[in-house]
Amino acid sequence: QKEVEQDPGPLSVPEGAIVSLNCTYSNSAFQYFMWYRQYSRKGPELLMYTYSSGNKEDGRFTAQVDKSSKYISLFIRDSQPSDSATYLCASFSGGYNKLIFGAGTRLAVHP
Amino acid sequence: DTGVSQDPRHKITKRGQNVTFRCDPISEHNRLYWYRQTLGQGPEFLTYFQNEAQLEKSRLLSDRFSAERPKGSFSTLEIQRTEQGDSAMYLCASSLAAGLDEQFFGPGTRLTVL
Repeated sequence: QKEVEQDPGPLSVPEGAIVSLNCTYSNSAFQYFMWYRQYSRKGPELLMYTYSSGNKEDGRFTAQVDKSSKYISLFIRDSQPSDSATYLCASFSGGYNKLIFGAGTRLAVHP
Repeated sequence: DTGVSQDPRHKITKRGQNVTFRCDPISEHNRLYWYRQTLGQGPEFLTYFQNEAQLEKSRLLSDRFSAERPKGSFSTLEIQRTEQGDSAMYLCASSLAAGLDEQFFGPGTRLTVL
């Protein structure tokens, strides 16, 4: 079993929709959770990170962590075609020396 | 441009050949990481350096793989006797220091082994 599981999609939504992206993890020691966005033929870029349980909001993006169920979510409001990318959830391994990624969910927002 | 750069961006090679990739981290970043990403998967950790010291290697890094970071600046990743299973995107990332500092990724080197 992978430490971070993510539905690869693809997910196709119309412009303006609310998007929900989800991951589960198995390692109870994970404390920090990240969402990366990866455009085609580019490296991942950090979108948001959260610590432990709770919500964090940044513009149209909200990251949510529920440690009791080991569930991570990213919500995108008013989705735009420019949001079309692969979204990767990740956590730091013990010692914070490496990132453990999910498989990524490919999102397409069509006009 | 002050981001992480990687060279080459694409490499096509025949099975059994050796290949070498280069990564130039963001200036003054002490940490440098290598990841591998196969189609439809997230990046997988390979190894990381603190300055010139290689501190951890994944079991994914077989003895055909070697990475160096001389003088704590750029890094090279060499794959000897390439196999078709080595075909992947090789990503380099750097961070200012240890721990929770953000890892900034380069654009990757896409390797195709025929």
